[in-house]
Parts: sequence; structure tokens; C-alpha cells
Amino acid sequence: DAMVIQNPRYQVTQFGKPVTLSCSQTLNHNVMYWYQQKSSQAPKLLFHYYDKDFNNEADTPDNFQSRRPNTSFCFLDIRSPGLGDAAMYLCATSRGPTTNEKLFFGSGTQLSVL
Amino acid sequence: DQQVKQNSPSLSVQEGRISILNCDYTNSMFDYFLWYKKYPAEGPTFLISISSIKDKNEDGRFTVFLNKSAKHLSLHIVPSQPGDSAVYFCAASDASGTYKYIFGTGTRLKVLA
Repeated sequence: DAMVIQNPRYQVTQFGKPVTLSCSQTLNHNVMYWYQQKSSQAPKLLFHYYDKDFNNEADTPDNFQSRRPNTSFCFLDIRSPGLGDAAMYLCATSRGPTTNEKLFFGSGTQLSVL
Repeated sequence: DQQVKQNSPSLSVQEGRISILNCDYTNSMFDYFLWYKKYPAEGPTFLISISSIKDKNEDGRFTVFLNKSAKHLSLHIVPSQPGDSAVYFCAASDASGTYKYIFGTGTRLKVLA
């Protein structure tokens, strides 16, 4: 089945130790997104790619970076995780080019920072 | 500034009855609205959507109503089933070509058997 796959499901890292979360998709969608969700809060958009065109949200901390080496893969790099970065990280895709498309989500990666 | 608001953090409903989940938005540029369902430790799954050119969309037990003048939408689930117990998120996107989807904080629905 075509889908969005996130690895790992659970990630534990140490304070200040760089960590990378990965996302792959078999849907061949143009747009890929990274959302951060903390408990009882709305999923917060960090950034998205339309194809190779990167779009960063104004309030996304510089500590967060992303790479999209090809259509299928997208990575979230957290350069120096702090305790406040512990959250569920959700990868999503949409077909584009219009915005009247639904988002397809992966299962998420729950990040813990010790 | 929360552009999409779900003011009820939780809702309990008896099995077989109707569940009504509400969502308000502030950005008049939003033209496409979606509802997602989320179980713990899983990603959100798409339920139903509606374009701003419509005021109602129905899919099985799920119906979404859109009131553009009030900037309000609601999700009706009839009849509610215990398996519907989850967190429901409302989301919105606009036609400006930014490809952004803004989410509300969610409503936790509990369907009591």
C-alpha cells in the first residue's frame, strides 16, 4: 500500500545531542511537511517542501533543519535538542499543486530528550 | 494567534447518539477544511473534508457542515460508536498557494458503551 513511513517510532536522545528523524513516502506526492505536536496542542507546522522548494515557518527555531534529497525522502535534523523539543513529530504529504488536497500522515516519531 | 480554534477540549456521548464537534476559524482566506481523527501514538487519519463552495458534505456516518458567514464548521457523527473514541482535529488551508494546513487543538471524543 502506498503510504507515509516514519522511522523510528520512538527516539530517545540526550540534551544537546544531534538527532535526525526520517520520513519516506510511496505516494509520489509533491509536498512534504513536518509538524511538531506537543500534548494537548495543535500540530504546529515547522516547514514544508514543494518539490525541492523549501518553506520555513517564521517561528521555527534555527535548531531545526530539514533536507529533502529526492521526492521520496525527507529528514528533520535537530542540531542541539533541548528539553522543550520533546514532542511527537509528524511527517505528512499532499499531492499538490492545489491546496484542496488532503494530507496523508505517517505514524509519527515520539522524541524524548533526557 | 490561533487561526483555527476548537473550544471544547473533550466531549462524552452515549453509543448510538449523535456526536457534534465544533471548529471556528478567523482567516477569511481559508477555503478548504478537513477533519482528522487521531489515536494515541499514531498519526492523524483523514476523515472528511469540505470546500468553501459547499455548505455540507456527507460520507457515511460523518457529515461536515460549513457556515462561512459565521466562520464555523462542525462534524456530526451519527450514530456514534465506541471505536470513534479518539481526538478529532479540524484543519484549514487557503487558496494563496502556500500549501499550508493549520490545525486546531483537537477535541477528545469519548463514546460510552
